Amino acid sequence: DGGITQSPKYLFRKEGQNVTLSCEQNLNHDAMYWYRQDPGQGLRLIYYSQIVNDFQKGDIAEGYSVSREKKESFPLTVTSAQKNPTAFYLCASTTQSMNYGYTFGSGTRLTVV
Amino acid sequence: AQKITQTQPGMFVQEKEAVTLDCTYDTSDQSYGLFWYKQPSSGEMIFLIYQGSYDEQNATEGRYSLNFQKARKSANLVISASQLGDSAMYFCAMREVIFGNEKLTFGTGTRLTIIP
Repeated sequence: DGGITQSPKYLFRKEGQNVTLSCEQNLNHDAMYWYRQDPGQGLRLIYYSQIVNDFQKGDIAEGYSVSREKKESFPLTVTSAQKNPTAFYLCASTTQSMNYGYTFGSGTRLTVV
Repeated sequence: AQKITQTQPGMFVQEKEAVTLDCTYDTSDQSYGLFWYKQPSSGEMIFLIYQGSYDEQNATEGRYSLNFQKARKSANLVISASQLGDSAMYFCAMREVIFGNEKLTFGTGTRLTIIP
């Protein structure tokens, strides 16, 4: 079945460490997105990519980095520069069509210990 | 400025009653799309319904309907005959294309609780 796979489901990070969250899709979607969700809040856009080897900053890109070397994959690195990384991270993808919905992964819950 | 505004942080509704979740949006574009998503406690985002800015009729999907009032820039979600399984967070979102880049912007959500 087609879908988006995020791994790991839970991730613990020590302060000062970089961690990478995985996002893989087999839907042949062109565009991929990373969102951050804090408890009781909406989703905020971190980074997005419309095509391979190209990506744009979202509303809260500071302290994060991404790459898009393959169409299927859009990993997110949470760097040590991100001062408050504890949150729920969601990856999404879509086709370039106004009528098509976004498909979301099941999320990664990152906790700084 | 807020692009998507959901003014109801929480709502309690009796089972089997209808419920309306409010959403207003702000855009100067002529072409845009509006979505509603449901997020249960497991965290997954479940697509409910979509309304395009040029769609003349309000969208409907089973028990869900979208009350689209373009001049007022509102896109309220109506759930008919609510069920216990409808208890979740509900997010309104708007799709925009800015300088050729497409993105989806979310509101802060409404937590809906259905009371037996």
